[in-house]
Amino acid sequence: QKEVEQDPGPLSVPEGAIVSLNCTYSNSAFQYFMWYRQYSRKGPELLMYTYSSGNKEDGRFTAQVDKSSKYISLFIRDSQPSDSATYLCAMRGIYNDMRFGAGTRLTVKP
Amino acid sequence: DTEVTQTPKHLVMGMTNKKSLKCEQHMGHRAMYWYKQKAKKPPELMFVYSYEKLSINESVPSRFSPECPNSSLLNLHLHALQPEDSALYLCASSWTSGKGNEQFFGPGTRLTVL
Repeated sequence: QKEVEQDPGPLSVPEGAIVSLNCTYSNSAFQYFMWYRQYSRKGPELLMYTYSSGNKEDGRFTAQVDKSSKYISLFIRDSQPSDSATYLCAMRGIYNDMRFGAGTRLTVKP
Repeated sequence: DTEVTQTPKHLVMGMTNKKSLKCEQHMGHRAMYWYKQKAKKPPELMFVYSYEKLSINESVPSRFSPECPNSSLLNLHLHALQPEDSALYLCASSWTSGKGNEQFFGPGTRLTVL
């Protein structure tokens, strides 16, 4: 079993839709949770960072963490074609050994 | 300034060549990282430096040799690479521990080994 599981998609939605991206994990030592967006042939860009269970909102993005279920989510409201990218969940414990999910390829169609 | 810079952007090298990748950040971060990313795969951690000292080596072959000359610079020396080492090499930096230690990535160096 992989430490971090993420459905690679691809996921295609119409413009304006709400997008839900999810990851599950098995390592209870993970304490810090991140979502990165990566455009083709570019480096990952940090979108959201959380370290406690609950919701965190930033503009059209909401990150949700449920440590009891070992489940994290990213919601994108009013999705735009410019949101088309690969979304990577990432997590780490107290050491700097970050682990990524497989990444979900998202396409938002105009 | 939340920027991590990497040079070169692209590199093509033969299996007998010696080359180096460079990474620089001026955010005052004291942890720096090298990742390898193959096409359509997530980044894989290679090395972690904390306060200029190597703290994690994820069993990377010795043909990859990291170096951290100071708190702002990170190098990756390459020698006798194989074609399967062709990938995007990403550098990242962060504060060393605790809260607020999210990693910021550079744009990467796309390496092709012939």
